Amino acid sequence: QKEVEQDPGPLSVPEGAIVSLNCTYSNSAFQYFMWYRQYSRKGPELLMYTYSSGNKEDGRFTAQVDKSSKYISLFIRDSQPSDSATYLCAMSIRNAGNMLTFGGGTRLMVKP
Amino acid sequence: GAVVSQHPSWVICKSGTSVKIECRSLDFQATTMFWYRQFPKQSLMLMATSNEGSKATYEQGVEKDKFLINHASLTLSTLTVTSAHPEDSSFYICSARDGAGGGEQFFGPGTRLTVL
Repeated sequence: QKEVEQDPGPLSVPEGAIVSLNCTYSNSAFQYFMWYRQYSRKGPELLMYTYSSGNKEDGRFTAQVDKSSKYISLFIRDSQPSDSATYLCAMSIRNAGNMLTFGGGTRLMVKP
Repeated sequence: GAVVSQHPSWVICKSGTSVKIECRSLDFQATTMFWYRQFPKQSLMLMATSNEGSKATYEQGVEKDKFLINHASLTLSTLTVTSAHPEDSSFYICSARDGAGGGEQFFGPGTRLTVL
C-alpha cells in the first residue's frame, strides 16, 4: 500500500463544473499538506498549502484537510479549460526537512 | 511568489557524455533543494536532498556517483548526470525550500534530458 493514494483519473468535466480531487494517506505523522498543479512538460506549481484540519480558500480553490480520516480534498469552483492539468497532492512531516511524499496525481480535463 | 529556475530546459546528448543541470532560487534563499525525476504519466520520484554546504542525501536506489549534486550557495544547486545512458532519459525537476517562509517547496520548470 502506498503512503499516499490518489485516483489517477482522467477526470473529465464540463466547463463551469465543480471539481473534487482527493487523496488518502496512511501515515498519521504527516502535518503539512499541499496541492500542486502540473501542466504537461512543466514543473509543479504550488496551489494550496495547509497545516491544520479544516478548510482553506483561495479564489476558486478550496483545500480541505481531515486528519482524523486521513483524507484531503481540493475543490475547484467554476472550472475552466485552463484548469486542465495533472493535480498532485503532497504531504510532509515537518521534522523530516519537509521532504514531500506525493500522490500519483489526478489528470483533470475541463471541456469547453 | 517564489521563483525557481532551471537551466537548460531541455538537452539532447550522446551516450557516455555528462550533463549538468542548474537549479536557482531567484528571489529567496534556499537552504535545502530537492531533485526529482519524473517519467511520463507518473508522479515525481525524489532522488536526493541537497543542503547548502554539505553532502547531498540520496534516496535508496539512486547512485550518488552517477548523479552528482553540488549545493555551493543558498541560491544554486547543480545536478550532473555522469556518463549518461538512454535509460537516464527523463524529466528532471528541482525544488527549493524557502527557509524564511513557511517551508513551502517551489518547483523549477524542469529539464528534459534525452540521451541518444
